[in-house]
Amino acid sequence: AQSVTQLGSHVSVSEGALVLLRCNYSSSVPPYLFWYVQYPNQGLQLLLKYTSAATLVKGINGFEAEFKKSETSFHLTKPSAHMSDAAEYFCAVTEVSFQKLVFGTGTRLLVSP
Amino acid sequence: SQTIHQWPATLVQPVGSPLSLECTVEGTSNPNLYWYRQAAGRGLQLLFYSVGIGQISSEVPQNLSASRPQDRQFILSSKKLLLSDSGFYLCAWRDRTSGNTIYFGEGSWLTVV
Repeated sequence: AQSVTQLGSHVSVSEGALVLLRCNYSSSVPPYLFWYVQYPNQGLQLLLKYTSAATLVKGINGFEAEFKKSETSFHLTKPSAHMSDAAEYFCAVTEVSFQKLVFGTGTRLLVSP
Repeated sequence: SQTIHQWPATLVQPVGSPLSLECTVEGTSNPNLYWYRQAAGRGLQLLFYSVGIGQISSEVPQNLSASRPQDRQFILSSKKLLLSDSGFYLCAWRDRTSGNTIYFGEGSWLTVV
């Protein structure tokens, strides 16, 4: 079965600093990988996705992620954090049959002035 | 364009009472549909998914059930709620045409008292 590990339940950065949220996956076949963002009391919004095309994926709000097969990683980055980036971020991988999405436990990003 | 509607947004129910959460997707046909639950600090847990009318797969044994009476309607139910059923419930659908992306509704807050 596929799985996702997100290192760090909380990450704190200062406004303007680099954002790095880590995600490692386990899969026996080439995966599709996703990052979602959740603002308080809201549903999940898709940030970006990797679907076996370019390994560097650009998403909304200035975020990007790089698929590294050798490291089984799909870390999310943003060069300069904004206060509005404070939210919870979820990494997810498709299951083998592409019928369902398996999520990590999430990382809460805190941005201080 | 496709949209997903989920209701009610907020629900407070006593222990032992029934539950019905509804979800409808518009602008697509024969979608995969999902119910996820998000408990505080526990990430997203897949409860049920459906690949077609009347076809329900259960991921976690519990006192909840799901039904799909129509192609784009997905219902989460319980005959008798438990305190542990409290949480944030998210309906979602899978878009097979765009890299198997799963899109989420705005969620329903359930508090069992």
